[in-house]
Amino acid sequence: GAGVSQTPSNKVTEKGKYVELRCDPISGHTALYWYRQSLGQGPEFLIYFQGTGAADDSGLPNDRFFAVRPEGSVSTLKIQRTERGDSAVYLCASSPLSTTKQETQYFGPGTRLLVL
Amino acid sequence: AQSVSQHNHHVILSEAASLELGCNYSYGGTVNLFWYVQYPGQHLQLLLKYFSGDPLVKGIKGFEAEFIKSKFSFNLRKPSVQWSDTAEYFCAVISSGAGSYQLTFGKGTKLSVIP
Repeated sequence: GAGVSQTPSNKVTEKGKYVELRCDPISGHTALYWYRQSLGQGPEFLIYFQGTGAADDSGLPNDRFFAVRPEGSVSTLKIQRTERGDSAVYLCASSPLSTTKQETQYFGPGTRLLVL
Repeated sequence: AQSVSQHNHHVILSEAASLELGCNYSYGGTVNLFWYVQYPGQHLQLLLKYFSGDPLVKGIKGFEAEFIKSKFSFNLRKPSVQWSDTAEYFCAVISSGAGSYQLTFGKGTKLSVIP
């Protein structure tokens, strides 16, 4: 079956611009996660959705970052007034139910964002 | 806050050599532990995970990991590596109690296997 997909695969933008990154989770997965991976680092948590609501957004670095999941499926990560430090690979993951922390999180290929 | 340390940044081995990648975590409570792998050009995928029971966990492709609670460690092992094991390996932890569902990852260990 189809895995987690993310679009675009690459995004180049200029400092100060607005970007949207999209994630399509595995069909039927209730939980959706966003992580950010900078060069030489492991993925760092940004936000987690259970259904349509953000259950934990403690990893969002500041108020320029926002994510939505209006119908409980596709999610969009939005970054306003991008800065060069936002350059990273943005990863999306999903899991079936997330009522247990034993579930595997299935990762997508990521969107590589470069802010010039 | 929980954290994960992976001791080796880059490991280079010849084929058939044995592998052990270190992972230590810092957290006061009970945790669930994971090893993920990222092959060149591919996305992160799960190698194995530990929740409870037998502390020696077997995963895919001949990998195993041992949870040693007293050492807060979850080292990854493979008796004989192949060229196809060349990848980056990430250890991750999640608290098993109440609270966030976020995975905390180490910085990763890059493994290069020489034919």
